[in-house]
Amino acid sequence: TQLLEQSPQFLSIQEGENLTVYCNSSSVFSSLQWYRQEPGEGPVLLVTVVTGGEVKKLKRLTFQFGDARKDSSLHITAAQPGDTGLYLCAGAAGANNLFFGTGTRLTVIP
Amino acid sequence: GAVVSQHPSRVICKSGTSVKIECRSLDFQATTMFWYRQFPKQSLMLMATSNEGSKATYEQGVEKDKFLINHASLTLSTLTVTSAHPEDSSFYICSATQRGISYNEQFFGPGTRLTVL
Repeated sequence: TQLLEQSPQFLSIQEGENLTVYCNSSSVFSSLQWYRQEPGEGPVLLVTVVTGGEVKKLKRLTFQFGDARKDSSLHITAAQPGDTGLYLCAGAAGANNLFFGTGTRLTVIP
Repeated sequence: GAVVSQHPSRVICKSGTSVKIECRSLDFQATTMFWYRQFPKQSLMLMATSNEGSKATYEQGVEKDKFLINHASLTLSTLTVTSAHPEDSSFYICSATQRGISYNEQFFGPGTRLTVL
């Protein structure tokens, strides 16, 4: 089983602050996805990174895939209350499998 | 595009009864569907993977006789929790991968909250 550890596990910040969430593993993944899940709903795909060192931006969110494709980070600039949710990274390995991270629960306080 | 629905969104049942949850891909053909279970404030735990027309592959520790999965078509998979007990209460989420899409991207349904009394 490929384990993906996310840190921090919980994060509570004020609106306007910046934050970074980390997703680390000892395994190599062919690609890595980030999802956001709101209470009582299913996860929503935010981005997929494929190439080692790749950086993708989605408005105020910046995603980076590690050079060795074992880790990733999510940076949010000027966080908004709407960014509140559970952030999950997921590494792809094999034909269909995704291995989900432990999750980071973000709360942005207005 | 890539919308996945689940029905019902919430279900409350008595201990010993069976509950069926449906997962549908609304606007695409799903190569594979997955069933997850999520406990409060935790990440997703994969229960099983199902491909249309074949038997589901269950993760270690998941009882296949208790969690029956049927994948009758490229757009429908069902999960039946048989003889449900209070410890089966959880949030069940399905997802699907789209035929022709790479990188193992999964599209998730909105989840079903099961409460067993």
